[in-house]
Amino acid sequence: ETGVTQSPTHLIKTRGQQVTLRCSSQSGHNTVSWYQQALGQGPQFIFQYYREEENGRGNFPPRFSGLQFPNYSSELNVNALELDDSALYLCASSAGLAGVQETQYFGPGTRLLVL
Amino acid sequence: AQSVTQLDSQVPVFEEAPVELRCNYSSSVSVYLFWYVQYPNQGLQLLLKYLSGSTLVKGINGFEAEFNKSQTSFHLRKPSVHISDTAEYFCAVRNSGNTPLVFGKGTRLSVIA
Repeated sequence: ETGVTQSPTHLIKTRGQQVTLRCSSQSGHNTVSWYQQALGQGPQFIFQYYREEENGRGNFPPRFSGLQFPNYSSELNVNALELDDSALYLCASSAGLAGVQETQYFGPGTRLLVL
Repeated sequence: AQSVTQLDSQVPVFEEAPVELRCNYSSSVSVYLFWYVQYPNQGLQLLLKYLSGSTLVKGINGFEAEFNKSQTSFHLRKPSVHISDTAEYFCAVRNSGNTPLVFGKGTRLSVIA
């Protein structure tokens, strides 16, 4: 069974640029959630996708957007990068939606540095 | 809104000593509770979870946690730690229904030889 994978592992961008981060879900999982983990903080929920549609969003501006594909892989796009966007971005996949047995399994993350 | 408080930002402990990492959450009718571990430069790994049933939950690597509804706590314990347990530990909670995980700020466990 393949776990959750993310690419790239590290990325350096400058302010104002755009970035795309990618995530492949664990086999059999149809829900993906994205989190931002700033240095020294716990992960914060950005949004969740279920069967290619956004299904829940945290307190992040619209320049944070996403996609989920038919194979349940996912992208996180961030436009007009700001210095405060520097963080570890984590993707988590789970099976089903709102089920009581739902547990999220995390990928290794993409570390983004904005200069 | 749900919130999680991890009372200790750092916990140093000697090897083979017991450890308790504390976690409190804001009250809710029905919650699901999780502990994740994050090793340096890695993602999060699930240690254990409480969904229902027995309030004492056993996880991987010898960790266990106890759900205490009256005190809204979910403290993580291990009777004897190893150097390899050095990591960041995150407590997380979600309500029933389609709600996201809410994480605490983490506790850095440092095991000293």
